Amino acid sequence: EAGVTQFPSHSVIEKGQTVTLRCDPISGHDNLYWYRRVMGKEIKFLLHFVKESKQDESGMPNNRFLAERTGGTYSTLKVQPAELEDSGVYFCASSLLTGGMYEQYFGPGTRLTVT
Amino acid sequence: QKEVEQNSGPLSVPEGAIASLNCTYSDRGSQSFFWYRQYSGKSPELIMFIYSNGDKEDGRFTAQLNKASQYVSLLIRDSQPSDSATYLCAVIRKGGSQGNLIFGKGTKLSVKP
Repeated sequence: EAGVTQFPSHSVIEKGQTVTLRCDPISGHDNLYWYRRVMGKEIKFLLHFVKESKQDESGMPNNRFLAERTGGTYSTLKVQPAELEDSGVYFCASSLLTGGMYEQYFGPGTRLTVT
Repeated sequence: QKEVEQNSGPLSVPEGAIASLNCTYSDRGSQSFFWYRQYSGKSPELIMFIYSNGDKEDGRFTAQLNKASQYVSLLIRDSQPSDSATYLCAVIRKGGSQGNLIFGKGTKLSVKP
């Protein structure tokens, strides 16, 4: 079974440009999460989808970030316009609801560098 | 105070020894606890989860949870050089979004041959 996949693996853009990150969860996983790790800090939650609905977007830093999950399959995270502080590694994770518990499986991440 | 605290290390142990990794959390209502292993430049890999007080064993790994003292630990028996990685502790708070994993910064483990 394929794991969580993310594209691209690395993106370098200039300040003010737009970048779109993509995540494909494990097949059958209704829950999809976005996290971010900036250098020197811990991994931080951004948002959580259940199928195509946003369950929790309390971690989204500001309105320059837009996440979508049309059709409840893959998800995209758009940053527009990008700022220097957006640099970091963006992880996607997915999970099944199993007995009320949520074991999340992470993708390889997208390393975003804003110059 | 950070919600989830871990000693950043590095923790260095000889091959074959027991590695003990500790994590404390501030929210007494936390209800689910996870240990992830992350090799440099790779994604976090789930290795253990524990929901109830006590010990949970899986192969060479044992997770221990003490809710009264608000700590969770991971023991790695017969440590191998391949166990060298950063170990991340994560919790889910009761009442919060069930998707919102709160991570510590991780403890770097080095197993010397």
